[in-house]
Amino acid sequence: RKEVEQDPGPFNVPEGATVAFNCTYSNSASQSFFWYRQDCRKEPKLLMSVYSSGNEDGRFTAQLNRASQYISLLIRDSKLSDSATYLCVVNPEQFYFGTGTSLTVIP
Amino acid sequence: DAGVTQSPTHLIKTRGQQVTLRCSPISGHKSVSWYQQVLGQGPQFIFQYYEKEERGRGNFPDRFSARQFPNYSSELNVNALLLGDSALYLCASSLGYEQYFGPGTRLTVT
Repeated sequence: RKEVEQDPGPFNVPEGATVAFNCTYSNSASQSFFWYRQDCRKEPKLLMSVYSSGNEDGRFTAQLNRASQYISLLIRDSKLSDSATYLCVVNPEQFYFGTGTSLTVIP
Repeated sequence: DAGVTQSPTHLIKTRGQQVTLRCSPISGHKSVSWYQQVLGQGPQFIFQYYEKEERGRGNFPDRFSARQFPNYSSELNVNALLLGDSALYLCASSLGYEQYFGPGTRLTVT
């Protein structure tokens, strides 16, 4: 079983839409959770850390559900510049990345 | 502040050759991790070093090795290159749990 499972998409949404990504993890001992954004042929960039209480940064909201072992990312009012691959990361003792979810925001 | 730097940016090698990739962490960061990312996949963990000690190793063959220097920079070595080693090799530095990535070295093995 993979450490982290993520729907690869692609998600194609119009500008202004709300889109949500989920990611499940297998190791219940995982302590740290993150969302990274990766543009084509670039390095991953940290988008948000995910805290137990949930956290919000502008149009982005991350949630953690330990009971069901998943994390989520909600993007509101999508912009063209949000088009990228979004990677979830779970850290029981090392970083495990999901395969990434591709998002394209359409004008 | 300068971010994580990696060299070279691109590299073309032949099967059977050896390669060394280099990484300089963000100033003040003592931990460096290496990842391999093939097209269409998320990065796969190779090694983590902290204060020059290996702290973790992923599921990669012994052809992969690394080290960290007193100034916290790091090298990743891959021996006896295979076609399947073609990938983007990413270095990340960290102070706490959050990791910050360099631009990567794109390795092509022919």
